[in-house]
Amino acid sequence: GEDVEQSLFLSVREGDSSVINCTYTDSSSTYLYWYKQEPGAGLQLLTYIFSNMDMKQDQRLTVLLNKKDKHLSLRIADTQTGDSAIYFCAESFNSGNTPLVFGKGTRLSVIA
Amino acid sequence: DAGITQSPRYKITETGRQVTLMCHQTWSHSYMFWYRQDLGHGLRLIYYSAAADITDKGEVPDGYVVSRSKTENFPLTLESATRSQTSVYFCASMAGGSYNEQFFGPGTRLTVL
Repeated sequence: GEDVEQSLFLSVREGDSSVINCTYTDSSSTYLYWYKQEPGAGLQLLTYIFSNMDMKQDQRLTVLLNKKDKHLSLRIADTQTGDSAIYFCAESFNSGNTPLVFGKGTRLSVIA
Repeated sequence: DAGITQSPRYKITETGRQVTLMCHQTWSHSYMFWYRQDLGHGLRLIYYSAAADITDKGEVPDGYVVSRSKTENFPLTLESATRSQTSVYFCASMAGGSYNEQFFGPGTRLTVL
């Protein structure tokens, strides 16, 4: 079945690295996504990774994908107070034309 | 305005009343979605639409009705609102294809008294 699991909360100090983890169950996933939701707003795509990649780096963001363990992680280097938000992991499937499956979201709190 | 918009942004209604939440997108995206967001449940898909006049149920469709007569609009109607439908509702759209970025509206906070 389709299921995406994330831990619900993470707290880090400003300047430290944050690592948000996600596990998924469907090995046919083609793309995996990280969305960010700031307070009072909708979700915005932060980054994504294609399933044939192991890693993707984008400025302070590093996405790691372990297909064998069906594990996805998002690392935010030098975490800032502006990174405080809810981060959602999501997956899409072969056809592409099906709704994304979202995790419940991880609330990241950054302590100054 | 370009993008995806939702109206109203805030709504208070009473149990038993009919409420319609509007969603409009300017990209001519084929796909549109309605989600509700509740503490402890994350985002749950209510209904989605692959094109005008094509709609499909999501995870939690009971008590909701959708229609899509035009590509750019996807209204969500609560036919007889219940307290359990108090939530934040998000509309999203997507072009379709193998890479599926969904674009989200700002949300409607609905309170049913």
